[in-house]
Amino acid sequence: SAVISQKPSRDICQRGTSLTIQCQVDSQVTMMFWYRQQPGQSLTLIATANQGSEATYESGFVIDKFPISRPNLTFSTLTVSNMSPEDSSIYLCSVELVRDRDYEQYFGPGTRLTVT
Amino acid sequence: AQSVTQLDSHVSVSEGTPVLLRCNYSSSYSPSLFWYVQHPNKGLQLLLKYTSAATLVKGINGFEAEFKKSETSFHLTKPSAHMSDAAEYFCVVRGAGKLTFGQGTILTVHP
Repeated sequence: SAVISQKPSRDICQRGTSLTIQCQVDSQVTMMFWYRQQPGQSLTLIATANQGSEATYESGFVIDKFPISRPNLTFSTLTVSNMSPEDSSIYLCSVELVRDRDYEQYFGPGTRLTVT
Repeated sequence: AQSVTQLDSHVSVSEGTPVLLRCNYSSSYSPSLFWYVQHPNKGLQLLLKYTSAATLVKGINGFEAEFKKSETSFHLTKPSAHMSDAAEYFCVVRGAGKLTFGQGTILTVHP
């Protein structure tokens, strides 16, 4: 398995500002992912972040709003830019481990963001 | 393209009675399927997974799921519910390197 930590665990931010969320993994992984979980809803994939390449964004998410960095194999950041109350969500990072073509994704504890 | 439908948004059972959480999937690929559990204010925990081996998959905490290709289903079961099972459960399909989550089923366990 993988142990994933996120910082901050929660934050309250004013609209128009930006917040950068950090994700640290205890082992080197190729694939990292960022998800959003809006209140009372399921998880939605924002983007896939592979080390050494640009992040790949899902439909409805753009780099200007959610820039991602992936400087090495154990770390990634997600920035939520120019925030509005609609960005209030839990943001989760995850990693995928592969063993013998067997895939498992592990999730961080999440960052609970409230935008006022 | 892939999708997941969890057929019940809420399931309520009494402690000691069986649990059934229903999930149907659609996938263009030979799917990998997962069940995750999310306890209140806690992170997501992997319960079990199906990756084209045995169709009956055993997970943690006494949960099982059976992959039925003909019915495109992957229902989660447990013979006897415990109070600590109260949580939200997500059925997930993996395809093309991405996970797609169902809408979740909230399981309530009554004493």
